[in-house]
Amino acid sequence: EAGVAQSPRYKIIEKRQSVAFWCNPISGHATLYWYQQILGQGPKLLIQFQNNGVVDDSQLPKDRFSAERLKGVDSTLKIQPAKLEDSAVYLCASSLIGGDRGTQYFGPGTRLTVL
Amino acid sequence: SQQGEEDPQALSIQEGENATMNCSYKTSINNLQWYRQNSGRGLVHLILIRSNEREKHSGRLRVTLDTSKKSSSLLITASRAADTASYFCATDARSGKLIFGQGTTLQVKP
Repeated sequence: EAGVAQSPRYKIIEKRQSVAFWCNPISGHATLYWYQQILGQGPKLLIQFQNNGVVDDSQLPKDRFSAERLKGVDSTLKIQPAKLEDSAVYLCASSLIGGDRGTQYFGPGTRLTVL
Repeated sequence: SQQGEEDPQALSIQEGENATMNCSYKTSINNLQWYRQNSGRGLVHLILIRSNEREKHSGRLRVTLDTSKKSSSLLITASRAADTASYFCATDARSGKLIFGQGTTLQVKP
């Protein structure tokens, strides 16, 4: 079974530029998550989708971050404009179902460096 | 906000020894999960323990949960060099939203 795919793996941009990350979840997984992991910390949930609807985006900085999941499969996360403090690893995860029965499977992440 | 706090922040042991990591959290939970993260890679799910369970085993892993103390522990027995990684506890209070702790960095020396 193929895992969660993410691209790119690494991205370096200057502050105020825009950047987009792509995630392809495990086939059949209804729930998709985006996390931000700052160096030395645990991942923090940014947004959770159930199919193509948003379940939780309470910690998404909506003035600069946006995410979409068209057709309930792939998802993109965009930052515009980027700030220095956005330097982090962005992790995508998926689960078969939501709630406490859904083990989350993580992709390798995209490491973003903002200069 | 971080709900879980792992202790210790870093742990260094010899191969063959046991490693114990602790996690404390603040609010009521549906379940608690442990994940492993190797350097530069994504997280791998290790084990899930529900709020009505007290202990769970998976291979060389043993997890305990004490909801009265809002704490959990992860024991890795007979550690191997390949167990070197960061370990995170994550609490699920509702809807599958996981809140992760800061992690424990484990180094197993060959």
